[in-house]
Amino acid sequence: AQSVAQPEDQVNVAEGNPLTVKCTYSVSGNPYLFWYVQYPNRGLQFLLKYITGDNLVKGSYGFEAEFNKSQTSFHLKKPSALVSDSALYFCAVRDMTTSGTYKYIFGTGTRLKVLA
Amino acid sequence: SQTIHQWPATLVQPVGSPLSLECTVEGTSNPNLYWYRQAAGRGLQLLFYSVGIGQISSEVPQNLSASRPQDRQFILSSKKLLLSDSGFYLCAWGTEYSNQPQHFGDGTRLSIL
Repeated sequence: AQSVAQPEDQVNVAEGNPLTVKCTYSVSGNPYLFWYVQYPNRGLQFLLKYITGDNLVKGSYGFEAEFNKSQTSFHLKKPSALVSDSALYFCAVRDMTTSGTYKYIFGTGTRLKVLA
Repeated sequence: SQTIHQWPATLVQPVGSPLSLECTVEGTSNPNLYWYRQAAGRGLQLLFYSVGIGQISSEVPQNLSASRPQDRQFILSSKKLLLSDSGFYLCAWGTEYSNQPQHFGDGTRLSIL
C-alpha cells in the first residue's frame, strides 16, 4: 500500500528565513505526490503536485517542492517564510481503492509556526 | 469555476441523536466525492467515497453512513451518534484523472455531548 510520512509534528522558523517541511513516501510504481495547507477551521487547500518531469515543482503562494527519487522524499520549501504561512501542512500520495477509484493517503500533518 | 459547499459549519448534538451533514459541488459533472474525518486537527481518515449516484463505498466500519442522491450531492448520516463521532468532517471532490488533486470544503465541526 502507498504511504507518506511527515517526521516532524512542528517546525518553527523565523520570518524571512527559508523553510522546509519534510515528507517521505513509500509507493509501488511511480508516485503521484501532493502538498496541501490547512488554516484553522478550514478545509485543505491544494498547494502543488508532482506527477512526472522536473524534480522541482512550483506551487501557490511561493511554495515549491523537491522530488528526490533516491531518498523517496518530497520536501516542501519556501525561500522566505511569512507569518501568514503559519498553518498545518499535509503531504499526500495517490492510491487506488479496491474498486479502482483514486483515493489519497495523507500524512499526519506538520504544524508550521513562523515567528515574527 | 468549481466550488464545494458544506453545511452546517458547526454542530453540537447529544449522544444518541441522528446526524445529517450535506456537501454539494458546483461547476463540474460526475465528480468523485469523498468524506473524511479529521481528529484533533491532525491526520485525515477516509470514511466514504462515491463515483456516481447511489454508489457508495466505505473505507472503515463505523456508526456512519453516506448517500449520494444526486450527482453533486453527498450526505453523511447517522441514526444514533456516539461520543466517538466527534470531529471535523471534510467533504472533497476529485476527478477520474489520476494527476489531479482533490478539492476540499471548509468542513463541519461536530461536537457530541
